[in-house]
Amino acid sequence: AQSVTQLGSHVSVSEGALVLLRCNYSSSVPPYLFWYVQYPNQGLQLLLKYTTGATLVKGINGFEAEFKKSETSFHLTKPSAHMSDAAEYFCAVVNQGGKLIFGQGTELSVKP
Amino acid sequence: GAGVSQSPSNKVTEKGKDVELRCDPISGHTALYWYRQSLGQGLEFLIYFQGNSAPDKSGLPSDRFSAERTGGSVSTLTIQRTQQEDSAVYLCASSLGGQGHYNEQFFGPGTRLTVL
Repeated sequence: AQSVTQLGSHVSVSEGALVLLRCNYSSSVPPYLFWYVQYPNQGLQLLLKYTTGATLVKGINGFEAEFKKSETSFHLTKPSAHMSDAAEYFCAVVNQGGKLIFGQGTELSVKP
Repeated sequence: GAGVSQSPSNKVTEKGKDVELRCDPISGHTALYWYRQSLGQGLEFLIYFQGNSAPDKSGLPSDRFSAERTGGSVSTLTIQRTQQEDSAVYLCASSLGGQGHYNEQFFGPGTRLTVL
């Protein structure tokens, strides 16, 4: 069975600083991995995904993530945080039935 | 084009009442999913429809929960005899579906259910 663990339920960074949101997964098959963002009172929006191929994937809004099989990780990064990045971020893996298994989420705060 | 829409956006009900939540998927999407987002449980899968196949109901938490999808399009999630622990945001998603590969799921804005 697949599972996802996000380290840190809340992360706070200063505007312009590096953003690093951690995600580790467990999967018995090659995983499809995703990062979603949820702004207040809105639905989930896909930031980026890894399916096959290049392990460094780039998404919207300057975010990227690297799939590291040896570490079973898929951490999300952005070189320079912007105030508009404040939101909740969810890492997810899709299981063989096509259902998304989510981590508990990380709330990102950006300080001016 | 239009995204996934859900109605109502907010629903307040009394314990013991039945509620119906509606989801309109993106036109042409054959797969439809319901998820629940609550403080204690995070985001969890409820039910999945793919075309005319029997739905995957493995995530429904109790027999008070049911869902149907009429004509392969609109879906209704019904919760009977609501309990306070049913309070959550109910999210619907749709995708192109298909077997053997993953298609991106597009999410609606959710219905916030509050059971008093």
